Formats: sequence, C-alpha cells, structure tokens
Amino acid sequence: DTGVSQNPRHKITKRGQNVTFRCDPISEHNRLYWYRQTLGQGPEFLTYFQNEAQLEKSRLLSDRFSAERPKGSFSTLEIQRTEQGDSAMYLCASSLGLAKNIQYFGAGTRLSVL
Amino acid sequence: GQSLEQPSEVTAVEGAIVQINCTYQTSGFYGLSWYQQHDGGAPTFLSYNGLDGLEETGRFSSFLSRSDSYGYLLLQELQMKDSASYFCAVRDRRDDKIIFGKGTRLHILP
Repeated sequence: DTGVSQNPRHKITKRGQNVTFRCDPISEHNRLYWYRQTLGQGPEFLTYFQNEAQLEKSRLLSDRFSAERPKGSFSTLEIQRTEQGDSAMYLCASSLGLAKNIQYFGAGTRLSVL
Repeated sequence: GQSLEQPSEVTAVEGAIVQINCTYQTSGFYGLSWYQQHDGGAPTFLSYNGLDGLEETGRFSSFLSRSDSYGYLLLQELQMKDSASYFCAVRDRRDDKIIFGKGTRLHILP
C-alpha cells in the first residue's frame, strides 16, 4: 500500500493551454474522487468513479473539464483552455466502497494559471 | 442541496480542550466525518459518526445529533502539532457525493 499518488505536484501554465493531471489510487480501491481546493476553503467535489464508470459530475464543472479512468485503476483529469480561475489545488482521493465515509487523499497537484 | 457550517477559526492553548462545531443541511444524510489538513498537506480522516452519540479515538472524539443536524469534534490535551484545518463532511445518500465544509483553522498557543 503506497498511498494515493498524484502527478505532477506542481503545474504552471499559461492561460489557454491544456493541462492533464494523473492520479494513482491505492490498489484495489474501486472508488476514485477528484476535488478542487482553493485557499481557505474545503475540498470541492468535481467528479467520481466507481471502477471505470464515471457516476457523478458536479454541475459546477464546465465542459472544459474531463476525467477518465479507463481501466478502473489510475485516473486523469484534463482541463482545456485553462483560465486564471482554474488556479487551485486538485486533490484525488480513493476508497474501497465508502465505509465510514473514509477517503484516502493524495498530496494534490497545485495548478497555477498565468 | 447540501451545506455545512463550521467556524472559520478557533484558538486554544496547548494542553487545553477545544470543540469545533458543525451544522449541516442535506437531502439524504449518510454520516458525518471529520478530516484534518495541515498546511501544504493532504486531508486525512479522523473520525466518523453514522449514529447519534459520541465516538472516541484517542485524544479526539466526535459527536453527532441527527435530530439537530449537528455534530462536533473534540480535541483534548492539545499539542502544537494539532495546529491545522479541520473539515466536517457529509455523505449524501442520493448520489454518494461527500461534501466538505469550508474548514476550521485551529490555532494553538503555547
């Protein structure tokens, strides 16, 4: 059990560019969640997967955001045509089911859009 | 919809006891949990209440009253390393999303 891994840890990009983040969950965890967190706020739900199926997507998420979990293992989150308002910490969490609402978080990818 | 309210900041003295309150509104409640996050770190799970009452885990305890839509996290024998942000979170039974509060920043004075 190596924990949830996210790459890259930091990403600096220019407005209008596309970025992609990767999350490797704890092995055998069937659920994978993406959150966005800004300074002084709690994690904001973006989307989640059960195995390879994307079950829920936040209504706040624009069409510029897309996520995949092609084989039910790692997941990618892509942001197209980045905007300065996308600057945030993007967190990934995984769980085996949701007993006691326990999620295991990765260290996150900090995105800065210039 | 869902919403959670918790104080933005709390200050306490090392060795003391502090309580962080959380009130919630959700369409389908499925448990209240608490997470701790140090600056620059990832949220880590602390405690969970699915039923009314008190759950104790070492220096940390958590309480839930479903009739009042209210819970709290109690931290005893505060240590400097407890300085962090604490988030309450609820799981919505309808769609299994976990919704987090905005967090309470705990400052501990020596």
